[in-house]
Amino acid sequence: DTGVSQDPRHKITKRGQNVTFRCDPISEHNRLYWYRQTLGQGPEFLTYFQNEAQLEKSRLLSDRFSAERPKGSFSTLEIQRTEQGDSAMYLCASGSSYEQYFGPGTRLTVT
Amino acid sequence: AQKVTQAQTEISVVEKEDVTLDCVYETRDTTYYLFWYKQPPSGELVFLIRRNSFDEQNEISGRYSWNFQKSTSSFNFTITASQVVDSAVYFCALSEPNYGGSQGNLIFGKGTKLSVKP
Repeated sequence: DTGVSQDPRHKITKRGQNVTFRCDPISEHNRLYWYRQTLGQGPEFLTYFQNEAQLEKSRLLSDRFSAERPKGSFSTLEIQRTEQGDSAMYLCASGSSYEQYFGPGTRLTVT
Repeated sequence: AQKVTQAQTEISVVEKEDVTLDCVYETRDTTYYLFWYKQPPSGELVFLIRRNSFDEQNEISGRYSWNFQKSTSSFNFTITASQVVDSAVYFCALSEPNYGGSQGNLIFGKGTKLSVKP
């Protein structure tokens, strides 16, 4: 399967813990996006990479969130000192200039 | 500000009925892109279509068709002869040009949950 993959698919953590998610994009795509989706809502943009450069960050991305794409391939999204409000589906998408293809998401539950 | 409105929260139809999902968008740009995605119960967003603001031709793909009208800022999606497998949440999204003129991040509506009953 050459689609976008995300790991883990599910994560349960206690409030205050740090978590890290990984996204592996489609290999030929140089653009990578992170979105967050809460129940009953559409996905909301968090941040965008072109190759290894992080070019855009949403105001939703608080100081507790950091994303990297060190070699322009896979990306990681870390949340420090998790809060219950961070519970959501975290979606990664990769794309060419005109389309974005989404991975299956990582569902985070903060207890 | 950019915004996408999907006024229909939930729609329920019986198999073989036609159904139209509405999407209204707001943007100040003259160049933009519109998308529809399907999110089945499994959760993964599936890309269905992209249109750019300069192409108002309607598009048909099998049982799916899309009607883009700039005059009313609408990009509606019709499923003809619906099937149970069409049951999903459908999202309309808007993107404005990013670096180099290609599409930027997506702004999604809240989605319309379609239930097709046998």
